[in-house]
Amino acid sequence: NAGVTQTPKFRVLKTGQSMTLLCAQDMNHEYMYWYRQDPGMGLRLIHYSVGEGTTAKGEVPDGYNVSRLKKQNFLLGLESAAPSQTSVYFCASSRTGTKNIQYFGAGTRLSVL
Amino acid sequence: GQQVMQIPQYQHVQEGEDFTTYCNSSTTLSNIQWYKQRPGGHPVFLIQLVKSGEVKKQKRLTFQFGEAKKNSSLHITATQTTDVGTYFCAGWMDSSYKLIFGSGTRLLVRP
Repeated sequence: NAGVTQTPKFRVLKTGQSMTLLCAQDMNHEYMYWYRQDPGMGLRLIHYSVGEGTTAKGEVPDGYNVSRLKKQNFLLGLESAAPSQTSVYFCASSRTGTKNIQYFGAGTRLSVL
Repeated sequence: GQQVMQIPQYQHVQEGEDFTTYCNSSTTLSNIQWYKQRPGGHPVFLIQLVKSGEVKKQKRLTFQFGEAKKNSSLHITATQTTDVGTYFCAGWMDSSYKLIFGSGTRLLVRP
């Protein structure tokens, strides 16, 4: 049982380049989330989705876009990467929302030079 | 905005000593969850507390939820090197789809 799978695991970008991070879950969860983790700042929510075809902004959405075309996949896009987006990105999913456990992927370590 | 504060940021203990991390919210929480992240790993769910004043134990770990549902704590008795990692509290606000994470407490254990 794979759970939540993130690709790629590592990536180095130059300023201004674009990329897409893929998150896939095989647990038939309705809710999916994208977080970024920076030293000393915990996990900050970028965007989330409460179901296929829906997305919503989190705490730090600027510079990112997302899509949830299929229930099992949640894509995070960076249109024009900036050094401030150097971070570790985690995807998570949960069965529904409140009071449900979030299951995290292994993370993507992104460096923007 | 809605915030969940967590202290201390770091704790370095000798193996066998106890450890406690505290979590405080600016607003009432519907429930609170605790996660552990090993170095280089991802957050893994430990436990959820829902009721006011609730106390739950997992072996050497004791979790408490405050009477006002605004604070929580995690206490580890007799730490072991396997306890190393960052512990996060995360709170659900009423009528919210978003889990608000504390900044985490990084635990280091000297063997």
